[in-house]
Amino acid sequence: DIVMTQSPDSLAVSLGERATINCKSSQSVLYISNNEHYLAWYQQKPGQPPKLLIHWASTREFGVPDRFSGSGSGTDFTLTISSLQAEDVAVYYCQQYYSTPGTFGQGTKVEIK
Amino acid sequence: EVQLVQSGAEVKKPGESLKISCKGSGYRFINYWIGWVRQMPGKGLEWMGIIYPGDSDTKYSPSFQGQATISADKSISTAYLQWSSLKASDTAIYYCARVDQSMVQGAIIQGAFNIWGQGTMVTVSS
Repeated sequence: DIVMTQSPDSLAVSLGERATINCKSSQSVLYISNNEHYLAWYQQKPGQPPKLLIHWASTREFGVPDRFSGSGSGTDFTLTISSLQAEDVAVYYCQQYYSTPGTFGQGTKVEIK
Repeated sequence: EVQLVQSGAEVKKPGESLKISCKGSGYRFINYWIGWVRQMPGKGLEWMGIIYPGDSDTKYSPSFQGQATISADKSISTAYLQWSSLKASDTAIYYCARVDQSMVQGAIIQGAFNIWGQGTMVTVSS
């Protein structure tokens, strides 16, 4: 199985400031034939199911605010919230869907400082 | 509207059997993989397995192989997750989710979970 490791486990950021979450995969999730990274980011608020934010490492899902961005390549990826809003308080997960099982990171809890 | 609607919360005793459901609507059910994800109380997301309702092709995580069974009835656009003998450690929220797919240069490629059910809370306690 591909192991996904996120850092940090939690972070507190002031409103309007930048939040950065890292995700490292134990092997590359780049599919050579289509040059896509099979890496997604999800947001989960309390009492709700996860919501897809970013797929293919850097493509925002429809309707996701542009303050959310994904970057990275190979085995190292980043989710950035450029200007944290109160409604962004949540747990964020990365997931690889390059191979089954489609493993998730352990999650990063984002709070307001 | 594309949606997945799951069956309601369950309270069971250890050793009992259970089958929970996930009904898809608003899209061609047989053409998209459906997955199951476990979330134990206060914990993260765990990928259990996926099924292709068109031919019932199923892939399990090694961690869940033999622990639960994934199935689908394409005639009623419903996927299932079932246990034959529940344990207290099966207490969790179980989500179903649809795998996104897109057409790239004439080939279908499978993506992330883009549509999620609301979750089914399963409590196993004596």
